[in-house]
Amino acid sequence: DVKVTQSSRYLVKRTGEKVFLECVQDMDHENMFWYRQDPGLGLRLIYFSYDVKMKEKGDIPEGYSVSREKKERFSLILESASTNQTSMYLCASSLAGYGYTFGSGTRLTVV
Amino acid sequence: DQQVKQNSPSLSVQEGRISILNCDYTNSMFDYFLWYKKYPAEGPTFLISISSIKDKNEDGRFTVFLNKSAKHLSLHIVPSQPGDSAVYFCAASEGTGGFKTIFGAGTRLFVKA
Repeated sequence: DVKVTQSSRYLVKRTGEKVFLECVQDMDHENMFWYRQDPGLGLRLIYFSYDVKMKEKGDIPEGYSVSREKKERFSLILESASTNQTSMYLCASSLAGYGYTFGSGTRLTVV
Repeated sequence: DQQVKQNSPSLSVQEGRISILNCDYTNSMFDYFLWYKKYPAEGPTFLISISSIKDKNEDGRFTVFLNKSAKHLSLHIVPSQPGDSAVYFCAASEGTGGFKTIFGAGTRLFVKA
């Protein structure tokens, strides 16, 4: 089975901190994604990557950046964390672009 | 502007009966539709999908129906089981590659024993 691993299940950070969320997949998928999940809003795409060192903005990229130096790893960076970035963050990967495999999520609280 | 809408935040069904979860979309360019299931403290898992060239796809107890003219799809679960209790997300994408898949807000299904 494809596995997508997110390094932290829960994180608490202070406003203004730089935050790194890490995601690793083990099935050689080209495509990787970062979503955030908020009540009533579903999953919203922050960034995605279709190849190493390639990245594309999703629907809500403001305040975020990403890094993909290796095929299996896709990092989400909050440059200066703010309270409105408190959310559940979900990483996903896919081979053909359909049928994503998601990680278990990181619940981030910014205080 | 939500392109994929799940208007029912929750649904309660008796075990053994049919569960019907609904989803509407506004973008006529969407050509691939998916349903994901999410348990608490876990990521969503892919459940079933349908291409716009079909109007029905079945996988065991799960069937997805697509009505392109109404821009509506539904997920039927028959018979419903307590283990089906979860949040169900409808999703849609356009073009090749499936990038920028748009998700609905989710419907929480409760199946009562």
